[in-house]
Amino acid sequence: DVKVTQSSRYLVKRTGEKVFLECVQDMDHENMFWYRQDPGLGLRLIYFSYDVKMKEKGDIPEGYSVSREKKERFSLILESASTNQTSMYLCASSLFGRAGILFYEQYFGPGTRLTVT
Amino acid sequence: AQKVTQAQTEISVVEKEDVTLDCVYETRDTTYYLFWYKQPPSGELVFLIRRNSFDEQNEISGRYSWNFQKSTSSFNFTITASQVVDSAVYFCALILKRVNLQGGSEKLVFGKGTKLTVNP
Repeated sequence: DVKVTQSSRYLVKRTGEKVFLECVQDMDHENMFWYRQDPGLGLRLIYFSYDVKMKEKGDIPEGYSVSREKKERFSLILESASTNQTSMYLCASSLFGRAGILFYEQYFGPGTRLTVT
Repeated sequence: AQKVTQAQTEISVVEKEDVTLDCVYETRDTTYYLFWYKQPPSGELVFLIRRNSFDEQNEISGRYSWNFQKSTSSFNFTITASQVVDSAVYFCALILKRVNLQGGSEKLVFGKGTKLTVNP
């Protein structure tokens, strides 16, 4: 079974703090993703990585950065946390397209509920 | 523009009833993939099915079935004989074509979700 783990289920941080959210997958997936989920807004892609050290901006990258130094690990960094970054953060991974299948399903971690006060 | 619409925000049924969750998508691409995910109260999104645009066969998996109709751009999901454990938010999603020649620039476009409550 695919396993995507996130470092914390719940996190409380203060405004201005630097926040690290860690995600690890154990299925050798090339692609990894960070989303945030907010009521009424659904899931929105923050950043995406298709290979080590490669990253692509998603819909809402402002205020965030990412790091992928190893294939299995994808970190989301809030450089200076703000209250509008209070949200549920979801990490996902998927295989790169191969063998006639262009896009594989994404597997999600349990999520980190971040509260910035 | 690529878009997924799940018009039903919330549905409430009684156990053992059949329920259909609607999903309508928009895309100009001829090649695309559609997905359904389940998000139970615990919060983790669980993958249910993947379907590509060239395969219009309906799919059945136990009490779950999916009806894909390109003519109406719909990919509806039916739960037969619903159970309390089916209570969750269900998301339909469409994946956009790769735009980065180097690799895998992919973006999953989600609908807003349908909250299903199955009452005993």
